[in-house]
Amino acid sequence: KNQVEQSPQSLIILEGKNCTLQCNYTVSPFSNLRWYKQDTGRGPVSLTIMTFSENTKSNGRYTATLDADTKQSSLHITASQLSDSASYICVVSATGGFKTIFGAGTRLFVKA
Amino acid sequence: EAQVTQNPRYLITVTGKKLTVTCSQNMNHEYMSWYRQDPGLGLRQIYYSMNVEVTDKGDVPEGYKVSRKEKRNFPLILESPSPNQTSLYFCASSLTPVVTGTEAFFGQGTRLTVV
Repeated sequence: KNQVEQSPQSLIILEGKNCTLQCNYTVSPFSNLRWYKQDTGRGPVSLTIMTFSENTKSNGRYTATLDADTKQSSLHITASQLSDSASYICVVSATGGFKTIFGAGTRLFVKA
Repeated sequence: EAQVTQNPRYLITVTGKKLTVTCSQNMNHEYMSWYRQDPGLGLRQIYYSMNVEVTDKGDVPEGYKVSRKEKRNFPLILESPSPNQTSLYFCASSLTPVVTGTEAFFGQGTRLTVV
């Protein structure tokens, strides 16, 4: 069964600290993996996208990694800011059947 | 500015009263889709459209209808809403299906409450 599991469900960190969010998937055959940021009351906005051959991709203070062998991805946020408070959603697409599976997200709270 | 516009943003309605949520995109995208987002669950696809007059069911299509008469518009229709359709709805568009790696743009969301 195609699944995307994210951990932790929620996370509280202090402003300026780093954090890492995890995504494990069983989606197959793998096409690509994206990380989205969703601010409260807004639609998701794409942060990074990685295909099978890519194992790291950065977007400013956001760095995503992908291990296609273990089917794991992580999103590392460096020097967090209050504006990083949001939900972060991992999305994995499969080439077979044009399937795209969304994770439930990790809710990040950055405190001053 | 490239955007996906949904209306209304908030809607409270009663069981059985037909409603339509509109979605419009200005990027000339061929692929559009509707999702619902419920607490503790990932976004789930309701319907999608590959092009004008081409629509297909997603993972949770029951109780919903869509139409794609023009490329820019993709309305979501609830013929007889029920309380279990209370949810946050998102419309999204992309140049090609998301599975191909193209970026998807999401609307601001419509929070629907059915009482």
